[in-house]
Amino acid sequence: GAVVSQHPSRVICKSGTSVKIECRSLDFQATTMFWYRQFPKQSLMLMATSNEGSKATYEQGVEKDKFLINHASLTLSTLTVTSAHPEDSSFYICSATQVRDHSYEQYFGPGTRLTVT
Amino acid sequence: AQSVSQHNHHVILSEAASLELGCNYSYGGTVNLFWYVQYPGQHLQLLLKYFSGDPLVKGIKGFEAEFIKSKFSFNLRKPSVQWSDTAEYFCAVVSGTYKYIFGTGTRLKVLA
Repeated sequence: GAVVSQHPSRVICKSGTSVKIECRSLDFQATTMFWYRQFPKQSLMLMATSNEGSKATYEQGVEKDKFLINHASLTLSTLTVTSAHPEDSSFYICSATQVRDHSYEQYFGPGTRLTVT
Repeated sequence: AQSVSQHNHHVILSEAASLELGCNYSYGGTVNLFWYVQYPGQHLQLLLKYFSGDPLVKGIKGFEAEFIKSKFSFNLRKPSVQWSDTAEYFCAVVSGTYKYIFGTGTRLKVLA
């Protein structure tokens, strides 16, 4: 149980275009979903926290207009990278927590590798 | 500000050697602690977690960790590593907000 999927797993886009990444909790309802960015050989950097039906909370230094997050249902959150540039190339990972899980465990998706050319 | 330190950035061991990876955090309140593993090209997988109760936690694949509250530590151990344990290991702490604070990770390489 507690599986999180991401789609697509890899995407290549041209500079200036927008890319949408989906994060789904497959077998549970997720009260909260998180979006991380992982640079090569580095740790995960939290970008934003999203709760179903409300606006995402962005970490300091993350541009909310560039990284649009929508959490429309208890099983789906999307991250849209708008007007992508090569420096946005990275590995984006989402995670989700279950409703009423007081251990705060997060379940991670497999990640999406974005390459902006 | 809360932080998590993993002092060993790179560790190289031979098979059958014992492993201990350090994790220290800076937060005085109640915490939940996690160790995740990321195998090359794969996503994060939970090795073990501490929520409450026995501070010695056993996880998957023979890993265990001990929560020592007085030392703000949650070190990961394995008595005998295998080549397949080659991966990156992340410690994470959460303190009531669902928001993880990750350590910088430890890259383990096990020589066959």
